[in-house]
Amino acid sequence: KQEVTQIPAALSVPEGENLVLNCSFTDSAIYNLQWFRQDPGKGLTSLLLIQSSQREQTSGRLNASLDKSSGRSTLYIAASQPGDSATYLCAVTLLKYGNKLVFGAGTILRVKS
Amino acid sequence: NAGVTQTPKFRVLKTGQSMTLLCAQDMNHEYMYWYRQDPGMGLRLIHYSVGEGTTAKGEVPDGYNVSRLKKQNFLLGLESAAPSQTSVYFCASSYGSFYQPQHFGDGTRLSIL
Repeated sequence: KQEVTQIPAALSVPEGENLVLNCSFTDSAIYNLQWFRQDPGKGLTSLLLIQSSQREQTSGRLNASLDKSSGRSTLYIAASQPGDSATYLCAVTLLKYGNKLVFGAGTILRVKS
Repeated sequence: NAGVTQTPKFRVLKTGQSMTLLCAQDMNHEYMYWYRQDPGMGLRLIHYSVGEGTTAKGEVPDGYNVSRLKKQNFLLGLESAAPSQTSVYFCASSYGSFYQPQHFGDGTRLSIL
């Protein structure tokens, strides 16, 4: 069964710091991997989607990388801001299991001003 | 910019009661999904629909039923609520298959006493 693990579970950093969030998955037969942001009491917002054939995607201060062979992805946030405080979830789309999304439990990020 | 709208936002039920959660999307998406999110766990897929009049089971379908009578609406029903169904329920939709980015509603917080 595919498992998606996110480390750390929570992270607190001072404003301006660069940071890395980690996601690992046990089954490398994925179609793509997505990073989502979830604000308290809100739904999920898709940040970046990396196809299995890609190595990375960038959007503004965010950069996500994918290493399928090792089952790992990282989300890099440059020059963090208090507005970046949220829960970040990664999810993989599996080629089997009916092509559904499997989510990690998320990393709670707090950026202190 | 309504996107995906979930009704209600909060609800408290007694064990054994029934209720229906409504999800409406105005983006003409074919695919719609119901997830539940529990503390310390990622989102888990309950049921999904690949088009009007179709439904399919996800990872945790027991105790839930769904209907997709209109393309824009996806209903999630609890026939006899149990405390184990206390959770935050999210609806999502996508233009095409699981490979396409999913757009999420803000969630329904459901407590079963």
